[in-house]
Amino acid sequence: ETGVTQTPRHLVMGMTNKKSLKCEQHLGHNAMYWYKQSAKKPLELMFVYNFKEQTENNSVPSRFSPECPNSSHLFLHLHTLQPEDSALYLCASSQEGTGAEQFFGPGTRLTVL
Amino acid sequence: AQKVTQAQTEISVVEKEDVTLDCVYETRDTTYYLFWYKQPPSGELVFLIRRNSFDEQNEISGRYSWNFQKSTSSFNFTITASQVVDSAVYFCALSEEAYGLTGANSKLTFGKGITLSVRP
Repeated sequence: ETGVTQTPRHLVMGMTNKKSLKCEQHLGHNAMYWYKQSAKKPLELMFVYNFKEQTENNSVPSRFSPECPNSSHLFLHLHTLQPEDSALYLCASSQEGTGAEQFFGPGTRLTVL
Repeated sequence: AQKVTQAQTEISVVEKEDVTLDCVYETRDTTYYLFWYKQPPSGELVFLIRRNSFDEQNEISGRYSWNFQKSTSSFNFTITASQVVDSAVYFCALSEEAYGLTGANSKLTFGKGITLSVRP
């Protein structure tokens, strides 16, 4: 595997389900990110992890819970979601430091029924 | 607060035409970075270019060129002789300095994106 991978690529869940999105980067980076991309809206930064420590939580509702066990893996745990949470969730990684370009995964297309 | 404006939402051109995608940004930082990303139908954002605020030289990479002008806070992207494979959504982004206990990282603010359609 190369670059940034995300699983699953597509996910359909009910509002009472619990699911998790997984991201793995094979680039030796120390920073990882979760973004949400909704239709007709800019990409929204959700969380930032730097060396496994969360450095940014962009006012994300608690029904989204990130986990970063090591610098290569990032999870997004989902619980009691709403239909408006349906979106493309993108993971990215970068070297630490400002101005570092971020490398993105293919995303998980989430549909909440 | 940082802001990136991509006023154009959709552009349609015929193959071999030149096309310019506009990007205007707002920031109070004196040191910042600007990016362009391409998102093809597959969904994965592809990094195209990074420019720091102290380097106003224009850049050319094959059919792609970028014009950075601090005086107008713009970072425009031109595709010369467009091809069908250039059809995608193009995002301009601005990096803000962000520091945590473990160091600095890159916090990007994206524009809404421009959907480019290149017709054969």
